[in-house]
Order: sequence, then structure tokens, then C-alpha cells
Amino acid sequence: EAQVTQNPRYLITVTGKKLTVTCSQNMNHEYMSWYRQDPGLGLRQIYYSMNVEVTDKGDVPEGYKVSRKEKRNFPLILESPSPNQTSLYFCASSLSMRSEQFFGPGTRLTVL
Amino acid sequence: GENVEQHPSTLSVQEGDSAVIKCTYSDSASNYFPWYKQELGKGPQLIIDIRSNVGEKKDQRIAVTLNKTAKHFSLHITETQPEDSAVYFCAASIDNDMRFGAGTRLTVKP
Repeated sequence: EAQVTQNPRYLITVTGKKLTVTCSQNMNHEYMSWYRQDPGLGLRQIYYSMNVEVTDKGDVPEGYKVSRKEKRNFPLILESPSPNQTSLYFCASSLSMRSEQFFGPGTRLTVL
Repeated sequence: GENVEQHPSTLSVQEGDSAVIKCTYSDSASNYFPWYKQELGKGPQLIIDIRSNVGEKKDQRIAVTLNKTAKHFSLHITETQPEDSAVYFCAASIDNDMRFGAGTRLTVKP
């Protein structure tokens, strides 16, 4: 089954404790991206990657890091999480930026 | 950068009526305009998209129109059904930058 998977689905952590949210796709897509969803703000792009070893900042990259060492994986790293990073996070993949994006199920992160 | 505004934020219709959601964008270079539907507890899913060289696109009960001069595009859902209840997002893309609207919560009352 073609899909995007994210782990964990739910995470409660404390300020400053490094965490990684994994994202994996099995559709051989070149383009992958991370979004955060907050009430009243819609989806905001954090980082995106056009291919292996190619990443770029989106609209709200501060406080986040990503890596793209393999085509299928695109982890999101929060080196020192803060409460304002409490949000619902989505990973997505697509053939290109101007084609259908397939979204993962989401990761709900709470930073205390 | 691109800015996308979406209206209304909430919309309630009676089953069988039509629903219209409108979006405006700021960058005239934007050339790809998808619409996503997000059901409760799930990730968004593409329902229809349109490119800047097309003015209208239809897929069964769903249609999207694009007015490049006015920089706005709209989603039209006809003969609404309770399963159409969800949050809908419009988006506009330029190069590798995708900007989403804030979303519209559509409720279809049986």
C-alpha cells in the first residue's frame, strides 16, 4: 500500500529535550516536506527536500532541522524544543512540488 | 513571499445545497492551486487541483475556478452530502514554495 508513515503519532516532552519525528514514504517520491498545523493558521511549511541531500527552508524553519540521507526518509529534528512548538505535524511526499502531496497521519507534539 | 487568504472560516449548509469556498493569493507568479480535504484525525487529502493555464476544472460534484487577473480561485461543491463535512484547505504554489490558506470547516446538515 502506498503510504507515508510518521512516528510517533503522539508525543509529550519537556522543554529542551531533543526529539526526532520520523517520516518514511514508499512511493519513490523525490519531493518531501514537513508542515505544522495550528488552529486558525492552516498548514505552514517548515522544511522541504527536492531530493537526497537537498533540503531548504520553508515558511517557519526556526527551531527545526531536517536531513535527507535516503530518498524514502525525511526526519524532523527538534534540538531544543520549546512550548511554542506544541503543534500537529504532518509529513508529505510527492513526485514534484506541483503534483499531489500525500500526507502522513500526523504527529501531535506537546512541549511542556 | 506568497500569502493565501481563505474565506469563510466556517460554512454550514443543508444536505443537497451547494457550498463555495474562496481563496485569494498575492503572488501573480503562482502557478499551481490544489485543494485538500482533511477529515477528523487524518492528514489532508487532495480532492482537486488546477494549474495557471486553465480557468476551470470539474470532477463530478467538485469544481474549481481560477481567475488569474483577480488572483482568486474558488472551490464549488454541488449536491452536498454529510460525508462532505470536513476542513478544506486551498493552497498556492510558486517554484518549490507551497502556501496554504487557514482552512474552512464545512458542516453539511442532514
